[in-house]
Amino acid sequence: GESVGLHLPTLSVQEGDNSIINCAYSNSASDYFIWYKQESGKGPQFIIDIRSNMDKRQGQRVTVLLNKTVKHLSLQIAATQPGDSAVYFCAETPPHANAGKSTFGDGTTLTVKP
Amino acid sequence: DTAVSQTPKYLVTQMGNDKSIKCEQNLGHDTMYWYKQDSKKFLKIMFSYNNKELIINETVPNRFSPKSPDKAHLNLHINSLELGDSAVYFCASSPSLGHEQFFGPGTRLTVL
Repeated sequence: GESVGLHLPTLSVQEGDNSIINCAYSNSASDYFIWYKQESGKGPQFIIDIRSNMDKRQGQRVTVLLNKTVKHLSLQIAATQPGDSAVYFCAETPPHANAGKSTFGDGTTLTVKP
Repeated sequence: DTAVSQTPKYLVTQMGNDKSIKCEQNLGHDTMYWYKQDSKKFLKIMFSYNNKELIINETVPNRFSPKSPDKAHLNLHINSLELGDSAVYFCASSPSLGHEQFFGPGTRLTVL
């Protein structure tokens, strides 16, 4: 399953399928990007990050892709599991003096159907 | 062994009251943050502190006053609470600026 366009508020996938969550960021000067996962009743939790000198980074079952030309970030989750159900946020961070000002995307709710 | 802790977890109060939320991190981080998450899950930065100094204040009403007595603590005091202040407030910390942030469990504030 994939969220299309800039992003969709919700994405529903079947257990075992791959998921793709998309995010458009706004500041072309941002040089650090993070994906967070927020489960119900909890704070956001770091999943994976990428700096602007890279276009792809892989973790365990997750991959982040960065396209600076169109200011687009995506999170790919392989073999999605019920425990992956959560709200996913992308966050962009500008460099230097503004590095304390991370901007979060609106979030995509991922629902995994067993 | 909680990394970032907040108290209280829930706060219900009347309009016009003054309340505080406390945050502590035991990660040895230099940077701490306060975020507000509204009912639609939109997460917005309010304040950033680096080495106890305020570096970001994102157009937050001055009824909100953060205080950092030391690098491990960042408290948030809110005066004259309004209905629109109802939200979940998250504290976070990071090793320094421009790094991943570790979030607390949140404080759900309800203003009646």
